[in-house]
Amino acid sequence: EDKVVQSPLSLVVHEGDTVTLNCSYEVTNFRSLLWYKQEKKAPTFLFMLTSSGIEKKSGRLSSILDKKELFSILNITATQTGDSAVYLCAGPNFGNEKLTFGTGTRLTIIP
Amino acid sequence: GAVVSQHPSWVICKSGTSVKIECRSLDFQATTMFWYRQFPKQSLMLMATSNEGSKATYEQGVEKDKFLINHASLTLSTLTVTSAHPEDSSFYICSARMVTGLAGADTQYFGPGTRLTVL
Repeated sequence: EDKVVQSPLSLVVHEGDTVTLNCSYEVTNFRSLLWYKQEKKAPTFLFMLTSSGIEKKSGRLSSILDKKELFSILNITATQTGDSAVYLCAGPNFGNEKLTFGTGTRLTIIP
Repeated sequence: GAVVSQHPSWVICKSGTSVKIECRSLDFQATTMFWYRQFPKQSLMLMATSNEGSKATYEQGVEKDKFLINHASLTLSTLTVTSAHPEDSSFYICSARMVTGLAGADTQYFGPGTRLTVL
């Protein structure tokens, strides 16, 4: 059975700090790992990672995948209060494409 | 970027009535869409996989006669909650799978969700 584990479960930091969120996975026939941000509504897509060692970047957010060690990290630099959200990572199951989600990391940025 | 819309964004209905929620992929075709529900402070729970032109696949414990899914076109899937009861009140979210044709490059994009309140 596919499994995705995120850590920490919650994180509280001050505005301006840098945070690193972790995601480890065991997904049969792994093809990609997805990161989403969920605020009060539905998840919004952040990154899709397929190759090891290649950093994906979008503004202050970046993410990288290590297929050998089966984990990914999401970095957020110079955090802002708008970064407060639950960050989810997920792996699609090969075949039925169902997403296996991690429990999420609840990030709170204190002004 | 890929956009998925849902309609309505919120709905209030009386117990016993049926409610239809639409999920549309606006700028791409989606042969597969997924329906989730989410209770406050809880994770997304997959209800069913909606396949264009064929029957939906329901997760264990989800009543297919209560949650009717129709995926009539490559850009539209609908979820109908039949004979709704207060315990069906929840946040319903769809996602659409975008197939790029490259191995491992499929991505799922979520709609903004529909908040259903059954009185």
